[in-house]
Amino acid sequence: GAVVSQHPSRVICKSGTSVKIECRSLDFQATTMFWYRQFPKQSLMLMATSNEGSKATYEQGVEKDKFLINHASLTLSTLTVTSAHPEDSSFYICSARDPGRNTEAFFGQGTRLTVV
Amino acid sequence: GQQLNQSPQSMFIQEGEDVSMNCTSSSIFNTWLWYKQDPGEGPVLLIALYKAGELTSNGRLTAQFGITRKDSFLNISASIPSDVGIYFCAGFRGNQFYFGTGTSLTVIP
Repeated sequence: GAVVSQHPSRVICKSGTSVKIECRSLDFQATTMFWYRQFPKQSLMLMATSNEGSKATYEQGVEKDKFLINHASLTLSTLTVTSAHPEDSSFYICSARDPGRNTEAFFGQGTRLTVV
Repeated sequence: GQQLNQSPQSMFIQEGEDVSMNCTSSSIFNTWLWYKQDPGEGPVLLIALYKAGELTSNGRLTAQFGITRKDSFLNISASIPSDVGIYFCAGFRGNQFYFGTGTSLTVIP
């Protein structure tokens, strides 16, 4: 149980275009999902906390107009990187809390974004 | 956000050796978690700890929730090549997860 699926696993896009990343909880309903960015050989950097049915809470320094987060259902949250630039290239990972195991987080497989 | 102090940063060990890594914080946590991340993948939960002093095992892995609630350690016994990866600790408090800086483990066959 507690499976989180993230798609796509890899994406290459041109500068100026937008990219959508999906995060799904497959066998539980997640009221809260988290989006992280990870640079090579570094830890996870929290970008925003996504709550079902309400606006996401962004961490300081994260542009909410650039990284659009939508959590429209209890099993799906999306992160859209708008007007992508090469410096947005990174590894993006989502996680979700299982209400049945409230203090555990389960991660998606991650998305490697390359902006050319 | 706050990151936990995790050590060592990296380890190079021979297959069969035991491994120990730890995480410390200046703040108290209600839950400690340990994850393993393989290259290009998301972290996978290894062990979750819920009570101060709790000692929990998962196969060759053993983790403890420190009495002060400000630290935790993870031990891996009899390491094998597939133990290679980056290990992260995480503390949970106030609807947020705080992650350690990671320990990169290399196992030499």
